[in-house]
Amino acid sequence: EAQVTQNPRYLITVTGKKLTVTCSQNMNHEYMSWYRQDPGLGLRQIYYSMNVEVTDKGDVPEGYKVSRKEKRNFPLILESPSPNQTSLYFCASSLFGRTNEQFFGPGTRLTVL
Amino acid sequence: AQKITQTQPGMFVQEKEAVTLDCTYDTSDPSYGLFWYKQPSSGEMIFLIYQGSYDQQNATEGRYSLNFQKARKSANLVISASQLGDSAMYFCAMREGNNYGQNFVFGPGTRLSVLP
Repeated sequence: EAQVTQNPRYLITVTGKKLTVTCSQNMNHEYMSWYRQDPGLGLRQIYYSMNVEVTDKGDVPEGYKVSRKEKRNFPLILESPSPNQTSLYFCASSLFGRTNEQFFGPGTRLTVL
Repeated sequence: AQKITQTQPGMFVQEKEAVTLDCTYDTSDPSYGLFWYKQPSSGEMIFLIYQGSYDQQNATEGRYSLNFQKARKSANLVISASQLGDSAMYFCAMREGNNYGQNFVFGPGTRLSVLP
């Protein structure tokens, strides 16, 4: 089944404790992206990747890191989480091009205390 | 500046009626794609419909259609014959960026409630 998977689905952590949210897709998509969703703001892009070893900042990259060492994986790293990073996070992937929709993972609900 | 505007934070519609969800966008790129996604209370993002900037006809997918008015930069979603299962958040999104489509932006969403 074609899908984007994320782990964990739920995470409660404390300020400053490094964490990684994994994302994997099995559709051989070049493009992958991370979003955070907050009430009233929709989805805001954190980082995106055009291919292996090619990443770029989205609209809200502060406090996040990403890496793309393999085509299928695109982990999101919070080196020192803070309470304002409490949010719902989505990973997505797609083919290149403006005509292609993104496929979304199930989301990760992160709470930073 | 907001690239995608959805002016209706919440909408109500009676079951079996049609409803229009508004979306306006801002871009200077002549090539772009417009998308609508549905997010039910379970949280997943479901792709509904796509409209390309060069498409001559409005997109349709089952009960969903897109009222695309390029000169006004609007891409409203029309849901015909609403069902209780249509109650959800709806997001309008735009993809631009030459041939790669690297920029993908979302609006703030509209929460639709379908009344029995």
